[in-house]
Amino acid sequence: DQQVKQNSPSLSVQEGRISILNCDYTNSMFDYFLWYKKYPAEGPTFLISISSIKDKNEDGRFTVFLNKSAKHLSLHIVPSQPGDSAVYFCAAPAYGSSNTGKLIFGQGTTLQVKP
Amino acid sequence: ETGVTQSPTHLIKTRGQQVTLRCSSQSGHNTVSWYQQALGQGPQFIFQYYREEENGRGNFPPRFSGLQFPNYSSELNVNALELDDSALYLCASSLKQRGGTDTQYFGPGTRLTVL
Repeated sequence: DQQVKQNSPSLSVQEGRISILNCDYTNSMFDYFLWYKKYPAEGPTFLISISSIKDKNEDGRFTVFLNKSAKHLSLHIVPSQPGDSAVYFCAAPAYGSSNTGKLIFGQGTTLQVKP
Repeated sequence: ETGVTQSPTHLIKTRGQQVTLRCSSQSGHNTVSWYQQALGQGPQFIFQYYREEENGRGNFPPRFSGLQFPNYSSELNVNALELDDSALYLCASSLKQRGGTDTQYFGPGTRLTVL
């Protein structure tokens, strides 16, 4: 039972353009979502999060959008840079925002930003 | 402030053996979670420890066990290794406080290969 799904294994964009990474979830009880970025030989690094009471959260070049009715969230990176090339995971805490220790991860999307 | 560290980096074991993986939490953190990441998949939650007590467990058999020490370092023990246990094992630490949302900080992982 995959509660968090990233259906695109990979994405390739040109430097300077927008990258859009998508994520779907099935559990309507999830109230908090996170995006992590992972480089090879490193652990996942927290990127940005969003609470279910919001539909958008922005941090510099990174914006996360949440559509609760569709159970869908997306991460926008504008403009994309070659250093953004990594695996991106969306995740939701199984126990809610007060305890993010048990994270349910999607399968990940590998982003390649071409110079 | 030191980050999350894990040892060893790589490990090769044979089926049926036992293995111990170690994690040193980020300074001041009181919670540690362990994840298993199979190739091409997102991390899967194994269990969480808070103040030396298990505080949540994922869908893993009892041969996966853990410890958290007073200095908040942690161990993951796996008995009777199976071929499917080959994966990247990640630990993540956080500071759990009353109310608020804690962010998980991941270590670089231990790559376990079972032959």
